[in-house]
Amino acid sequence: DTEVTQTPKHLVMGMTNKKSLKCEQHMGHRAMYWYKQKAKKPPELMFVYSYEKLSINESVPSRFSPECPNSSLLNLHLHALQPEDSALYLCASSQDGGRAGNTEAFFGQGTRLTVV
Amino acid sequence: GESVGLHLPTLSVQEGDNSIINCAYSNSASDYFIWYKQESGKGPQFIIDIRSNMDKRQGQRVTVLLNKTVKHLSLQIAATQPGDSAVYFCAENLTGNQFYFGTGTSLTVIP
Repeated sequence: DTEVTQTPKHLVMGMTNKKSLKCEQHMGHRAMYWYKQKAKKPPELMFVYSYEKLSINESVPSRFSPECPNSSLLNLHLHALQPEDSALYLCASSQDGGRAGNTEAFFGQGTRLTVV
Repeated sequence: GESVGLHLPTLSVQEGDNSIINCAYSNSASDYFIWYKQESGKGPQFIIDIRSNMDKRQGQRVTVLLNKTVKHLSLQIAATQPGDSAVYFCAENLTGNQFYFGTGTSLTVIP
């Protein structure tokens, strides 16, 4: 199984809503990532988890709150978002580069988020 | 993150021709690079990777070249097919688990 599964595929939310994006992988990867991708732009790194601990936060606003409940799951909690946060949110996983050596990151298909 | 740029934002090639997509990176300490393909509405898909102790790596119809002297990376696709039409990104891996993407090149294959 080389899949990273993201749910939901599409999400429309109001600026006062609270929602969560979910990501799951069963490849035994211990590094997991959230990226944000705007149209016609490259993915931008948001958060990195290594062994279920947050290791990198790329100065992301606090209205985005990541969570890693276990080694297979990664969530992104959303609250009080702005219309400019509308984007494709991508989850990825890889072997942990610090211990296993750098290997490719596998990406999910993303959640298309629209904030209204 | 570090700057990982691409020279050409769009590229059109005839079916059957070879394609070359270029990428420049700025961090000489980067030691691992990946090419991804992203089709419309999908997540990035791994194509090929290369470590900094290599200057060439070949896969099926694809070759990646790394020139550390000028900090340049290229992806060559042989006998380009319509299914190769997509956006191609190079990604630079810094220390630990940090992957940063370049600007991207949109490849269009003309039948």
